Amino acid sequence: KAGVTQTPRYLIKTRGQQVTLSCSPISGHRSVSWYQQTPGQGLQFLFEYFSETQRNKGNFPGRFSGRQFSNSRSEMNVSTLELGDSALYLCASSYTTGEHEQYFGPGTRLTVT
Amino acid sequence: GEDVEQSLFLSVREGDSSVINCTYTDSSSTYLYWYKQEPGAGLQLLTYIFSNMDMKQDQRLTVLLNKKDKHLSLRIADTQTGDSAIYFCAGAAGNKLTFGGGTRVLVKP
Repeated sequence: KAGVTQTPRYLIKTRGQQVTLSCSPISGHRSVSWYQQTPGQGLQFLFEYFSETQRNKGNFPGRFSGRQFSNSRSEMNVSTLELGDSALYLCASSYTTGEHEQYFGPGTRLTVT
Repeated sequence: GEDVEQSLFLSVREGDSSVINCTYTDSSSTYLYWYKQEPGAGLQLLTYIFSNMDMKQDQRLTVLLNKKDKHLSLRIADTQTGDSAIYFCAGAAGNKLTFGGGTRVLVKP
C-alpha cells in the first residue's frame, strides 16, 4: 500500500506570495491533518479534515487555510507569505477522525525569501 | 492545553540500551505515541500505548507509562547506528497531536 504523498517536496517563494501544498493520504484513509515544523516552535498542529469538513484547528492566523476533496486528498494554502512561514509542512493521514494511528508524509519544505 | 517535554539529547554506544523520557501535563490523552524522524524525512510512527496500560513491548521497543507521574519512556534495546534520529513523544486529543520538542539520539559505534 502506498504511503502518504506530498507535493511539491521543496518550494521557494517570495514574501507576499501565496502557496498551495498538496497531500494524498493512504488509500482508504479519510482523515488528513497538517502540521508545521520549525526549529523554534517545533511541531505544531494546523488543522484536520475529515469527510471534506474541517474538524479541528490549531492556533494559526487566517492566512493558513485548507480543504479536502471527495477523494480525501487535501490541500493547504498560505496567503501573504511571511519569512516566518518558512518551515517543513507535514501531512498525516489516518483511517478516521478521533484518536487513531496517524501516518506522516515526507513533508514539503517551504522557504520564504 | 497539553504541554509535553523531553530532554534534548542522548548519546549511546552501539549495542547498549537507550531510554528516552517524556513528561506531559494533560492526562486526557487516550493514546500516547512515539515517532522517529530521520534527517530530511517525515515522521515515522514507532509505537503507541493506550492510556490504561503500564507497559507495551514491540520487538526492541518498550514503552513505559506512569500515569501518576505523567511520565512516558521509550526504551530501545540493542541500539544500532540506524537508530540515530530525533524521537518525539506525543499526546492526542482527537486527531490533534501535541508533540514534545524531540530528543536527538546519537549512536556511537
